[in-house]
Amino acid sequence: QKEVEQNSGPLSVPEGAIASLNCTYSDRVSQSFFWYRQYSGKSPELIMSIYSNGDKEDGRFTAQLNKASQYVSLLIRDSQPSDSATYLCAAWMDSSYKLIFGSGTRLLVRP
Amino acid sequence: GAVVSQHPSWVICKSGTSVKIECRSLDFQATTMFWYRQFPKQSLMLMATSNEGSKATYEQGVEKDKFLINHASLTLSTLTVTSAHPEDSSFYICSARDWGDEKLFFGSGTQLSVL
Repeated sequence: QKEVEQNSGPLSVPEGAIASLNCTYSDRVSQSFFWYRQYSGKSPELIMSIYSNGDKEDGRFTAQLNKASQYVSLLIRDSQPSDSATYLCAAWMDSSYKLIFGSGTRLLVRP
Repeated sequence: GAVVSQHPSWVICKSGTSVKIECRSLDFQATTMFWYRQFPKQSLMLMATSNEGSKATYEQGVEKDKFLINHASLTLSTLTVTSAHPEDSSFYICSARDWGDEKLFFGSGTQLSVL
């Protein structure tokens, strides 16, 4: 199993809907997780970080962490076409000092 | 969030030449910086970890003699692609972590095209 895994998508949702992005992780990562957004040709931009079990909300974004099931998710409420991008899940490796990324999920928000 | 500056944003060079990319942390001191490479439609792959005042740690499969990393100060790390070839064409992104913070912040990236 890869350290961090994501469905590559694309995930297509209509404007105004909730987009749900998921990520699973292995035992080899620490308990600090990050969601980055990356537009085509640009570098990743940090959206959310989550370290504790449960939900963390920031504006239209909610990160959810379930340590028992080893998954972390990102919910985007009231999706906008400008949210169309690739979303990367990331975690620090437990045994070494490096941030590992999932393959990313491409989100398309249809107007 | 912390600001990481990277330049140039893009560079086109002839095969066999060397290219230097700079990465600066503008409002914090970064004892560790990371260099990633991203090919089209793929995720970020860590190339090396750059530590201030010491040698970089390279990931498996990354040639240390080809990708020279220097981290001479707490705010500057450079990546030099030596004798670049077309297969080195890629999007190179640096990142830095503020001491005591778990978050990693990225520079704007450098698109390298080797002709």
